[in-house]
Amino acid sequence: ETGVTQTPRHLVMGMTNKKSLKCEQHLGHNAMYWYKQSAKKPLELMFVYNFKEQTENNSVPSRFSPECPNSSHLFLHLHTLQPEDSALYLCASSQVLGSAGELFFGEGSRLTVL
Amino acid sequence: GQNIDQPTEMTATEGAIVQINCTYQTSGFNGLFWYQQHAGEAPTFLSYNVLDGLEEKGRFSSFLSRSKGYSYLLLKELQMKDSASYLCAVRDRNYQLIWGAGTKLIIKP
Repeated sequence: ETGVTQTPRHLVMGMTNKKSLKCEQHLGHNAMYWYKQSAKKPLELMFVYNFKEQTENNSVPSRFSPECPNSSHLFLHLHTLQPEDSALYLCASSQVLGSAGELFFGEGSRLTVL
Repeated sequence: GQNIDQPTEMTATEGAIVQINCTYQTSGFNGLFWYQQHAGEAPTFLSYNVLDGLEEKGRFSSFLSRSKGYSYLLLKELQMKDSASYLCAVRDRNYQLIWGAGTKLIIKP
């Protein structure tokens, strides 16, 4: 596989469930990102990891918990979510954090919270 | 605050030309990106402008005027597959990406 792969592509969960989103990049990049995409709104940056270290938490509620075990993998652990958390969650990577290079995105995990 | 403005939706005809505008107010400027996102798919990189002027890449061109805080994406010889959302993003002085809400482009035969 090449590029950025996200699983699952679709997820439906109740407010009391615990689930995880997974992201894997095969590009040899050192920076990875979680974004939230809601309809007709700008992409919202949630978390940034650079060389496995979290460098940014954009005031994200604690019901979202990221994990980056290595530079190729990124997880987003979900628990006690709210219906307003329903959105497309995009993972992205870039060669180096803070460089002029572009982001490479996965196809996203479409989350529905009932 | 920082802000990116682009039209919510545009409609154009197959074979025609369309220009999608983007205006920005950001804390500093370190480049402007355009991404294309088909429904249900990943955003993909289209173009990058850091200096004033026009960057051409096949049917797509992107223009930047830093003094006006303005960019546009020009799509020529439109094809049905160009129906997608087009996202404008600016990298600010801290290299943070500030995103617009995207422009949904509808191509009609």
